[in-house]
Amino acid sequence: GNSVTQMEGPVTLSEEAFLTINCTYTATGYPSLFWYVQYPGEGLQLLLKATKADDKGSNKGFEATYRKETTSFHLEKGSVQVSDSAVYFCALSERTGTASKLTFGTGTRLQVTL
Amino acid sequence: DTAVSQTPKYLVTQMGNDKSIKCEQNLGHDTMYWYKQDSKKFLKIMFSYNNKELIINETVPNRFSPKSPDKAHLNLHINSLELGDSAVYFCASRPGQGSYEQYFGPGTRLTVT
Repeated sequence: GNSVTQMEGPVTLSEEAFLTINCTYTATGYPSLFWYVQYPGEGLQLLLKATKADDKGSNKGFEATYRKETTSFHLEKGSVQVSDSAVYFCALSERTGTASKLTFGTGTRLQVTL
Repeated sequence: DTAVSQTPKYLVTQMGNDKSIKCEQNLGHDTMYWYKQDSKKFLKIMFSYNNKELIINETVPNRFSPKSPDKAHLNLHINSLELGDSAVYFCASRPGQGSYEQYFGPGTRLTVT
């Protein structure tokens, strides 16, 4: 079956530090890949996506590149802010039409301090 | 305008009770989902409906019964609530074929005492 593995958290960084959150996946086909962010007390927001190998998703200064050879989709940001403190989820969806579903990683909590 | 909305946001109830959670999306999407997030933040799919038809039914106790009166609404009814049902339940929706990202509601925090 499909699975997503994320690095354990929490990740604690100072403001303006560089962020990397590792994500690797196992899938039988060619999935679409996503990063979602969950701020405290809120639902999940789609942060970025990539639908095929070598695609780079980007949004709000965050980036992730779909690496088929290493089955990875690591999230990066050059300079984090306190407002980026949240839980980040890596997810995949097999492209199986109407029966597609998201398989999530366990989430990585990011805490950014001044 | 809220894209995916859920009611209630919080639900506190006693064991053995029956409760419902409602979800509505105004995005015009064909497919809707229920996910459960446990206390460790792990998210797992429960059900999916496509245009009022049940298409995904994961290993969920049959005390949980989804219902979709139309493609914009997906409700979740839970019978005989148990302590282990305490979680945050998220509704989500997805555009039609060719697009696989999902858009989530704000969640319903269910606490069973």
